[in-house]
Amino acid sequence: DQQVKQNSPSLSVQEGRISILNCDYTNSMFDYFLWYKKYPAEGPTFLISISSIKDKNEDGRFTVFLNKSAKHLSLHIVPSQPGDSAVYFCAASQTGGGNKLTFGTGTQLKVEL
Amino acid sequence: GAGVSQSPRYKVAKRGQDVALRCDPISGHVSLFWYQQALGQGPEFLTYFQNEAQLDKSGLPSDRFFAERPEGSVSTLKIQRTQQEDSAVYLCASSLASGGANVYEQYFGPGTRLTVT
Repeated sequence: DQQVKQNSPSLSVQEGRISILNCDYTNSMFDYFLWYKKYPAEGPTFLISISSIKDKNEDGRFTVFLNKSAKHLSLHIVPSQPGDSAVYFCAASQTGGGNKLTFGTGTQLKVEL
Repeated sequence: GAGVSQSPRYKVAKRGQDVALRCDPISGHVSLFWYQQALGQGPEFLTYFQNEAQLDKSGLPSDRFFAERPEGSVSTLKIQRTQQEDSAVYLCASSLASGGANVYEQYFGPGTRLTVT
């Protein structure tokens, strides 16, 4: 039972345009969400997070939006750069859940010149 | 500063062999996690330590998997009698003690790719 879903396995975007990566979750107990970026042969790197008490968090080119009623979050990257090409994982956690993260299956982003 | 390190980076084991995977967390990080990542999937939680105490081992797939962190720093994940389905990347992550603003922000090592033949 996949509690965190990333339904798009891949996304291709032109350099300079906006990349939008989507994530859905089913467990209403999740109250903290994170995005990780992963290059081949490296571990995931933390990118940005959002608490369930907020609906938006911004950090430079990266913005995460949370829609609790729809159990949906998205990561916006603008402008997209070739170095952003990587696999992006959405992850969720819940208070009292021991801080463990539940990950989606990832979306491969390719930013083309 | 130094990040999370893992060794070996690659391990090939014959079916039935025992393996031990090591994780060195970021200095001062109290919490340590192990995840298993199969090909094409996201990381899946295995177990969690706070200092030397193993507080959650609900993700360990069988009793062939054992993890320890005896001094609250370095951790070892041991897999006994390896099977082909154990082939995966094993990721270790560490984070600061709970109660801080970034309690859920985990820092990952590069992983150990285990191949069981």
